[in-house]
This record gives sequence, C-alpha cells and structure tokens, in this order.
Amino acid sequence: AQSVTQPDIHITVSEGASLELRCNYSYGATPYLFWYVQSPGQGLQLLLKYFSGDTLVQGIKGFEAEFKRSQSSFNLRKPSVHWSDAAEYFCAVGAGVNTGFQKLVFGTGTRLLVSP
Amino acid sequence: DVKVTQSSRYLVKRTGEKVFLECVQDMDHENMFWYRQDPGLGLRLIYFSYDVKMKEKGDIPEGYSVSREKKERFSLILESASTNQTSMYLCASSFQTSGPEQYFGPGTRLTVT
Repeated sequence: AQSVTQPDIHITVSEGASLELRCNYSYGATPYLFWYVQSPGQGLQLLLKYFSGDTLVQGIKGFEAEFKRSQSSFNLRKPSVHWSDAAEYFCAVGAGVNTGFQKLVFGTGTRLLVSP
Repeated sequence: DVKVTQSSRYLVKRTGEKVFLECVQDMDHENMFWYRQDPGLGLRLIYFSYDVKMKEKGDIPEGYSVSREKKERFSLILESASTNQTSMYLCASSFQTSGPEQYFGPGTRLTVT
C-alpha cells in the first residue's frame, strides 16, 4: 500500500531564508505526487503536482519540488521564505490502484514557523 | 475556479445527536471525499464517492455514513455523535479523468460535548 512520510513535524525558518520540506513516499511505480498548504482554520490549497515528465515542478507562491525516484522523495523548496508562508504543509501520493489512483494518501504534515 | 463549500465552519453537538455535514461542489466533479483531520495524524479518508449513489469506505468509516443523491452534493452523517468524533472534517472533490488532484472545502470544525 502507498504511504507518505514527512519526517519533520515542525520547522522554524527565518524570514528571507531558504526552505526545504522533506517528503518520502512508498510506491512501486511512478506515483502521482502533490504538495498542499493549509493556513490556520482553512482547507487545503494545492501548491504543485507531479504526474510525469520534468522532475522539477514549479508551483504557486514561488514553491518548487523535485521528484527523485532513486530516493523516493518529493521535497518542497522555496528560495526565500515570507512571513505569510507560515502554515502546515502536506505531501500526498495518489493511491488505490483499484480506483485508478483516484484516492490520495497524505503525510502527517509539517508545520512551518517563520521567525522575523 | 473550483469551489467546494461546506455547510458550516463550526458546529457544536451533544453526544448521541445525529449530525449532518453537507458538501457542495460546482465543477461537475465525479469524485467526492470526506476526510477527518486530527493533530499528528494528518488527513484520514472516511468515505469516497465516485458517482451518484455510489460510495466506498475509506480508512476510518466506523461511526459514519454518507449520502450522494446528486452529483454536486455529498453528505457525511454521524448517526450518533460521540466525543471521539470531535475533529476537523474536510470535503474534497476531483475529476476522474485528469488525475487524482483534489480540491478542498474550508472545513467544518465539529465539537461533540
């Protein structure tokens, strides 16, 4: 079965510093991969997605992620963090071969704190 | 833009009450989902519907049921609410033919006392 691991529960980054959030997945073939962001009290917003092709994908709000098959990773990066990026970030993988991978399996999330 | 709406942002119910959470999407999506979100556990799938009147159990269906009578509406029902169902409930929807990208509603924070 597919699974997603986000090893960092909390990360604190200074405003203006670079950011990398880690995500490792377990799946046998090329997965569908996603990063979502959740601001406090809100639903999830899609940041970016990977289905196939170029392994470096660009998303909204200046985020990017790189798919590395050899490491089963899909880490999220941003070169310069803004205070408004403080939120919880979820990595997800498409799951459920019997349903055509319509379902998603989510990691437990990483809470990003931005210090002044 | 895709819009997924949920009937309430905050809800307080008593133990034993029957609770209905409603979700509506306006993009003609075939798939709809109900998740619950708890700190440290991420999002866990309760039920999934891939067509009107069709449903599939997710990872934690116990204590919940669902109804999908119209394509745009997916309801989550707590037959007899219990305190361990206090949680954030998120609804999502997606197309069947464009990959599993899901669009989420704002969530309903349910407190059962």
